[in-house]
Amino acid sequence: AQSVAQPEDQVNVAEGNPLTVKCTYSVSGNPYLFWYVQYPNRGLQFLLKYITGDNLVKGSYGFEAEFNKSQTSFHLKKPSALVSDSALYFCAVRYMNRDDKIIFGKGTRLHILP
Amino acid sequence: EPEVTQTPSHQVTQMGQEVILRCVPISNHLYFYWYRQILGQKVEFLVSFYNNEISEKSEIFDDQFSVERPDGSNFTLKIRSTKLEDSAMYFCASDRPPPEAFFGQGTRLTVV
Repeated sequence: AQSVAQPEDQVNVAEGNPLTVKCTYSVSGNPYLFWYVQYPNRGLQFLLKYITGDNLVKGSYGFEAEFNKSQTSFHLKKPSALVSDSALYFCAVRYMNRDDKIIFGKGTRLHILP
Repeated sequence: EPEVTQTPSHQVTQMGQEVILRCVPISNHLYFYWYRQILGQKVEFLVSFYNNEISEKSEIFDDQFSVERPDGSNFTLKIRSTKLEDSAMYFCASDRPPPEAFFGQGTRLTVV
């Protein structure tokens, strides 16, 4: 069965420091992988995706994610955190089939400390 | 930039009442989804819809729930008789097909 694990409920990072939000997946075959962000009282905003090709993908707001097939991981990273990055981050996966649903992780709350 | 729009943004309803949540997907998209998120928790899949029929539904999507695309633009989720535990944020999403789905801003449903 498809599943996504985000092992950290919350991550605290000082402003200006690099941040990492962890994600591992359990899907057979070749998955699509995504990161979405949810700001307070807002919807789900697409950040970035991995389909194929380079393992390092770049997305919105300076975020990037590294796909590691051997470790089945897709960690979200940013070299220098901003206070405005504070939000709830969801890792998500779906199969490379036409109408498969997206499966979300439980989310990680990122707090950037001024 | 095209976006998925949902109305209303917040709906308060009494337990046992019917509610209809409305969504306008992106116009050239073919696949439509409803998800829900109980406050601050995991985003859960409810149902997917393609070619005017349900393609997949979760255990949550029981007989109290139904979806419809009545006029080729709107995509609705109906809860026939709401329960307290239906209180959640409901997200509509669409895609062309994959890879990424685009989500609306959500409708916060409060059942009292």
